Amino acid sequence: DGGITQSPKYLFRKEGQNVTLSCEQNLNHDAMYWYRQDPGQGLRLIYYSQIVNDFQKGDIAEGYSVSREKKESFPLTVTSAQKNPTAFYLCASSPTGLASSYNEQFFGPGTRLTVL
Amino acid sequence: KQEVTQIPAALSVPEGENLVLNCSFTDSAIYNLQWFRQDPGKGLTSLLLIQSSQREQTSGRLNASLDKSSGRSTLYIAASQPGDSATYLCAVDTSRDDKIIFGKGTRLHILP
Repeated sequence: DGGITQSPKYLFRKEGQNVTLSCEQNLNHDAMYWYRQDPGQGLRLIYYSQIVNDFQKGDIAEGYSVSREKKESFPLTVTSAQKNPTAFYLCASSPTGLASSYNEQFFGPGTRLTVL
Repeated sequence: KQEVTQIPAALSVPEGENLVLNCSFTDSAIYNLQWFRQDPGKGLTSLLLIQSSQREQTSGRLNASLDKSSGRSTLYIAASQPGDSATYLCAVDTSRDDKIIFGKGTRLHILP
């Protein structure tokens, strides 16, 4: 099956801990994205990567870090510096990067992170 | 700065009716507009992508139109079914800011 997988589906974190959310795609897409979704606020971009070994900050990058060592993988680390990390996290990929008419995004099933 | 608005925030219609969901954006300099569906607790499912040079796209009972000059897109759903109940989001790939901006969505409930 082609698609985007995210793990785990649910994640609980104690305050002060770093956690890493996994995102893998087998669609051979160049670009990958991380979004955060909070009730009533819509989706906000955390980080995106248009090519391996390169990534850019989105609108709310503070307290998060990413890596893009392989085309298929774009893990997100939520650090202890993120003040309010409880949210639903969505990973997406697209065949090309931004600034393209063909930039159709496909999403994974999401990870719900709760800070205890 | 691009802003994307979806009105109404929620909508309930009886099964079988045709309906229209609205999406408006403030900056017409876009590469494309994409419509998504999201079920509770799930990721987003891509429904239709309209490129900036296109006026509409169709998939089954869904038809999306794009009018860049007026900053509007509509998603038309024909013969609605209870399984269409979900939140529908639109997103614009905006050239001036080089980012994708999402609306907050319309929560649709089809009454059996």
